[in-house]
Amino acid sequence: EAGVAQSPRYKIIEKRQSVAFWCNPISGHATLYWYQQILGQGPKLLIQFQNNGVVDDSQLPKDRFSAERLKGVDSTLKIQPAKLEDSAVYLCASSTHRGLGYEQYFGPGTRLTVT
Amino acid sequence: SQQGEEDPQALSIQEGENATMNCSYKTSINNLQWYRQNSGRGLVHLILIRSNEREKHSGRLRVTLDTSKKSSSLLITASRAADTASYFCATDTGRRALTFGSGTRLQVQP
Repeated sequence: EAGVAQSPRYKIIEKRQSVAFWCNPISGHATLYWYQQILGQGPKLLIQFQNNGVVDDSQLPKDRFSAERLKGVDSTLKIQPAKLEDSAVYLCASSTHRGLGYEQYFGPGTRLTVT
Repeated sequence: SQQGEEDPQALSIQEGENATMNCSYKTSINNLQWYRQNSGRGLVHLILIRSNEREKHSGRLRVTLDTSKKSSSLLITASRAADTASYFCATDTGRRALTFGSGTRLQVQP
């Protein structure tokens, strides 16, 4: 089966500019996650969707980050305006459902550099 | 905040040797998972161990879980150069999505 797709793979922007990332989860996966992974650290959850509803966005910096998942399939994550500390890899993951004993499938990530 | 913390932060071994990584966490969990991340790529799920399990095997991987000590270990036997990667533990508390540790960087020298 096809894996989680993300685009673009790399993005370089200047601070205060805006950027958007796209994710297409594995077909049939109801749950979708966006993580931020800063160099040398583990992934940190930004937002979790169940179908097209938000389950957890407690760690999303809502003054500059936004995300949506239209029709419960694809998702976009936007940063506006970007700051230097937003430089990181943004990972999208999906899973079949939010229950006990599930595993997450990750995409290759988008590496963002803010200059 | 990071729930799980891996130890050591970095590990370098020779091909054929065993590699052991440890993970400690702070709150009660439903399950604990280990993931591998090759340089510049996404994470790949390796193994999941539930809170009522003490040991689990998958190929050359052996995971243990001690809920009384809030710790887990991942053992990779007969390591290969292709095992070079970062390894992360992730905890599922049932309250939110997985919380990842900061990882162990494993280097296997051929």
